[in-house]
Amino acid sequence: QVQLVQSGAEMKKPGASVKVSCKASGYTFTAFYMHWVRQAPGQGLEWMGRINLNNGATNYAQEFQGRVTMTRDTSISTAFMELSSLTFDDTAVYYCARGGAGAKGYWGQGTLVTVSS
Amino acid sequence: QAVVTQEPSVTVSPGGTVTLTCGSNTGAVTSGLWPYWFQQKPGQAPRTLIYDTSDKHSWTPARFSGSLLGGKAALTLSGAQPEDEAEYYCLLSYSGIWVFGGGTKLTVL
Repeated sequence: QVQLVQSGAEMKKPGASVKVSCKASGYTFTAFYMHWVRQAPGQGLEWMGRINLNNGATNYAQEFQGRVTMTRDTSISTAFMELSSLTFDDTAVYYCARGGAGAKGYWGQGTLVTVSS
Repeated sequence: QAVVTQEPSVTVSPGGTVTLTCGSNTGAVTSGLWPYWFQQKPGQAPRTLIYDTSDKHSWTPARFSGSLLGGKAALTLSGAQPEDEAEYYCLLSYSGIWVFGGGTKLTVL
């Protein structure tokens, strides 16, 4: 069955970077995109961007341009999202979600990133 | 930049029927925007109920259905249960760029 398993919770200081992983199983990894979505405490869902898992091409939401980097390692069926220059406002749960034709809305379990001094 | 709109809050009586909608400022919502509906309960990850306008997962209760209605995507709940009280988000995909609605808080009361 399709599974997306994300890395564990992170605590970072302002100005630092965080890298979250999302390991996929149960399907052909490179046949889909991987999207990243975040949710700040008490807020709605915010799309951050996506990566084409076949060729590595990326599209980032304007608000994250220059601060987010999405990559993948096809040898281990894992996608990564790195966010730099963290501020307190980046405290959120970060989700990976499969995208593309036939994706059917599979999501990871979420990774809590806390930015605290 | 597309904006996706949902009702902020809706109340339904137990056993009742309710329809949540999802509109786009770019025009009518069509199947080409691949509408998704997610249910989220406090402290939990979003759970996909409906994808591609009207398709259901094996875990989607039969009382939920998706459709296009009056230029919007719609999620209809027929026979509301107390456990359906949750936040519901829609998602539209604009050539692969995802835009979420602000969510609808559904109260079963």
